[in-house]
Amino acid sequence: DIQMTQSPSTLSASVGDRVTITCRASQYINRWLAWYQQKPGTAPKLLISKASSLDSGVPSRFSGSGSGTEFTLTISSLEPDDFATYYCQQYGTYSYTFGQGTKLEIK
Amino acid sequence: EVQLVESGGGLVQPGGSLRLSCAASGFSFSDYRMSWVRQAPGKGLEWVANIRQDGSEKNYVDSAKGRFTISRDNAKNSLSLQMNSLRAEDTAVYYCARGDSWHAHWGQGTLVTVSS
Repeated sequence: DIQMTQSPSTLSASVGDRVTITCRASQYINRWLAWYQQKPGTAPKLLISKASSLDSGVPSRFSGSGSGTEFTLTISSLEPDDFATYYCQQYGTYSYTFGQGTKLEIK
Repeated sequence: EVQLVESGGGLVQPGGSLRLSCAASGFSFSDYRMSWVRQAPGKGLEWVANIRQDGSEKNYVDSAKGRFTISRDNAKNSLSLQMNSLRAEDTAVYYCARGDSWHAHWGQGTLVTVSS
């Protein structure tokens, strides 16, 4: 199975900061990567698919990049609603594995 | 509006069985592959299984193979997950999700607790 490793596991930041989360795949997955945001007690919300394609209604401060084995999610200017846990997911090869998550906390 | 509503979760003893259901509405169910994803308490997400539109192809995470069966009824817009030989490590919130790769639509989840 392909392993997905996110870094950092926890990120402390302030409103207005620019933050980047990294996701590394243990094997080549082309651009078959999605990013999700999850808040406690709720289902994940899709942010980005195909590494960089923003889902409908997702604010433009979110962006994704990368291909192959290394990917990034960037939030250009944090807003209060962005403090949550973020997951990457590869869908290049079964099993469709998720990263372990990055918790974005208020500094 | 796309809606996915899971049901069937609960408390079950190790070795027991449970059948989860997901009622879909707001889209043409038979046009989409469907998936189950789970999340253990305080842990990350784990893809469990998916099924092709006509039910002819099914895929499972290794830990579910031979124990879980995904199925669908396109006439009733319904997705199911039959879970047998349940283990403590199967304790999780189980989400139904549209699609088999990335998931733009999720249900609210149903909690399965495996404990004696």
